[in-house]
Amino acid sequence: LAKTTQPISMDSYEGQEVNITCSHNNIATNDYITWYQQFPSQGPRFIIQGYKTKVTNEVASLFIPADRKSSTLSLPRVSLSDTAVYYCLVFSGGYNKLIFGAGTRLAVHP
Amino acid sequence: DADVTQTPRNRITKTGKRIMLECSQTKGHDRMYWYRQDPGLGLRLIYYSFDVKDINKGEISDGYSVSRQAQAKFSLSLESAIPNQTALYFCATSDPEGQGSPDTQYFGPGTRLTVL
Repeated sequence: LAKTTQPISMDSYEGQEVNITCSHNNIATNDYITWYQQFPSQGPRFIIQGYKTKVTNEVASLFIPADRKSSTLSLPRVSLSDTAVYYCLVFSGGYNKLIFGAGTRLAVHP
Repeated sequence: DADVTQTPRNRITKTGKRIMLECSQTKGHDRMYWYRQDPGLGLRLIYYSFDVKDINKGEISDGYSVSRQAQAKFSLSLESAIPNQTALYFCATSDPEGQGSPDTQYFGPGTRLTVL
C-alpha cells in the first residue's frame, strides 16, 4: 500500500508556475498517480492522472521520473482561483485502498 | 458537480438518533462511493458500490451502513449517531476507465453533519 507525502502548504503569486511534489516511495509497478483539487465547501475535482513520464492537459502537467518514487504536479501561471487543497493519490488497484491524505494547501496571492 | 446531488446539505442531530444521508446522480455511472472528511484532513472511504447488487466496506465502515436503491441512488445511514461522526460527508460516482487505469471520480457538494 503506497503512502504519499506532500508539503502541508505552499504560497505563490499570480502568474507564477507552481510545482507540488508528492513522494510515494513504495509505489507498485501497476499503480497510477492521480491528483485532485478541492475548494472550500466543495467536493474534490479530478485534475490529472499518469503512470509514467509526463502527462499534460489543459489545466496542469504531471511529471513522473523513471523510478516513480515521486511525482510533481505543475500548475502554469496560477491565478487567485487556483487557491485550493491539492491531493496526490496512488491507486493500488482496489478502491478499499484509496487514501487521500491531508493534501497540500496552496495559497495564491495577488 | 451538479450531476451529483446530496441531501440534506446540512444537518444537526443528537447522539443516538438515526440519520440518513442521500445521494443521487444523473451521470449514469455504475459506481458510487461515500467518504467522510474531518477538518484539515483528507477524505476517507466509508463504503462503495460498483453496481446495484454490490456493496463493499471501505477504510472506516464501522458505525455506518449503506443502501443502493437504484443505479442512481446510494444512501448512507448512521444507525445511532455519535459526536465523533461529526464531519463533512461526500458522495462520489465513477465509471470504469478501462485499461487498468483508475476511474475519475465525480463528487457531490457534501453534507455537513453535526452530532451533538
